[in-house]
Amino acid sequence: SQTIHQWPATLVQPVGSPLSLECTVEGTSNPNLYWYRQAAGRGLQLLFYSVGIGQISSEVPQNLSASRPQDRQFILSSKKLLLSDSGFYLCAWSVGGGGTYEQYFGPGTRLTVT
Amino acid sequence: GQSLEQPSEVTAVEGAIVQINCTYQTSGFYGLSWYQQHDGGAPTFLSYNALDGLEETGRFSSFLSRSDSYGYLLLQELQMKDSASYFCAVRDTGGFKTIFGAGTRLFVKA
Repeated sequence: SQTIHQWPATLVQPVGSPLSLECTVEGTSNPNLYWYRQAAGRGLQLLFYSVGIGQISSEVPQNLSASRPQDRQFILSSKKLLLSDSGFYLCAWSVGGGGTYEQYFGPGTRLTVT
Repeated sequence: GQSLEQPSEVTAVEGAIVQINCTYQTSGFYGLSWYQQHDGGAPTFLSYNALDGLEETGRFSSFLSRSDSYGYLLLQELQMKDSASYFCAVRDTGGFKTIFGAGTRLFVKA
């Protein structure tokens, strides 16, 4: 069966510090991968998606970046965090090729920038 | 632009039926999905409609009218555990991106 891991679960970082969030998927090959951010009580904002290794599409220009160094690994990074980067970060995957619709979400990372 | 509109909150009593509506305006459309999210948790998939009509999965049903750019999620025999946020989401024509609505918070009362 497929599983998706995210870590850490919670993170408190000062403004201006770097960020690295990691997501890995098990039990599937060539998945589509996604990073979302959710502010408290709000919907999900798509940040990045990837259809293959090294292929990253950015949806929102900001101080965040994403990389996909391996087929089932997706990393979200920032060189300098802003207060507005606080939120609940969710990684998700779907079956590759765009043929299906269901997205499977990881447990999320709750980031607080102080 | 792309937007999805759904009510911010709905309250219903245990055992009742509730309908959560969603209207969308998107540049492309490949299907309408519904997700459930409990407080502090991750969203989980509930249903998907690519064609007009009603899809039923147990106590939950979802409806789509592409000509009206409208859909709804119907929850029957409400239980306390159904208290959660429900998001509609549109998959774009390319099939890789999913745009989510702001969510509807459902409160189920005893």
